Amino acid sequence: GENVEQHPSTLSVQEGDSAVIKCTYSDSASNYFPWYKQELGKGPQLIIDIRSNVGEKKDQRIAVTLNKTAKHFSLHITETQPEDSAVYFCAASPGNQFYFGTGTSLTVIP
Amino acid sequence: GAVVSQHPSWVICKSGTSVKIECRSLDFQATTMFWYRQFPKQSLMLMATSNEGSKATYEQGVEKDKFLINHASLTLSTLTVTSAHPEDSSFYICSAPQARVPYEQYFGPGTRLTVT
Repeated sequence: GENVEQHPSTLSVQEGDSAVIKCTYSDSASNYFPWYKQELGKGPQLIIDIRSNVGEKKDQRIAVTLNKTAKHFSLHITETQPEDSAVYFCAASPGNQFYFGTGTSLTVIP
Repeated sequence: GAVVSQHPSWVICKSGTSVKIECRSLDFQATTMFWYRQFPKQSLMLMATSNEGSKATYEQGVEKDKFLINHASLTLSTLTVTSAHPEDSSFYICSAPQARVPYEQYFGPGTRLTVT
């Protein structure tokens, strides 16, 4: 089955700096890669996603890149703000089942 | 985006009792729903796939007799934790994918279960 690895597990950045979270996957059949933000005590919320026919997608301060050959994808957050502090999960999906990374706890220091 | 609700948001029960958690898709129909369990500071662990009108599919190591799943309609799936024990205390989250490729998945807000 699919195996998704995520790094780093924790990340602290100063407000205004950029944050990058990286994930790798193993199943070449995976064709959909969403990113979720989870705040304490809440369910994950979809923040951005990318499909395998696209190399990069951007939504305001958030961008995701995908390298199908290397089987890795990354989340980029620019101009970080304190409200960006949360746990971020990547996922890979070869169909309608999702395989999640282990999560990255992001802290933005004011 | 689509909305998925869960009820209750938190519940405390005594050891040996059963607890039912509801998951509803509010503005779309879901023939499939997923149930996850999440321990503190850990990732989501898929427990089972709930299928409308048929039996749920359980992941390896998940006791189907302990975690009963019923998907009675296209908008409702329930998870019943039977004979709960303190080790069942956890955060339970459901999700529902849209019924179209690439099956964007929407999560409920989660249910915090504490067994005393």
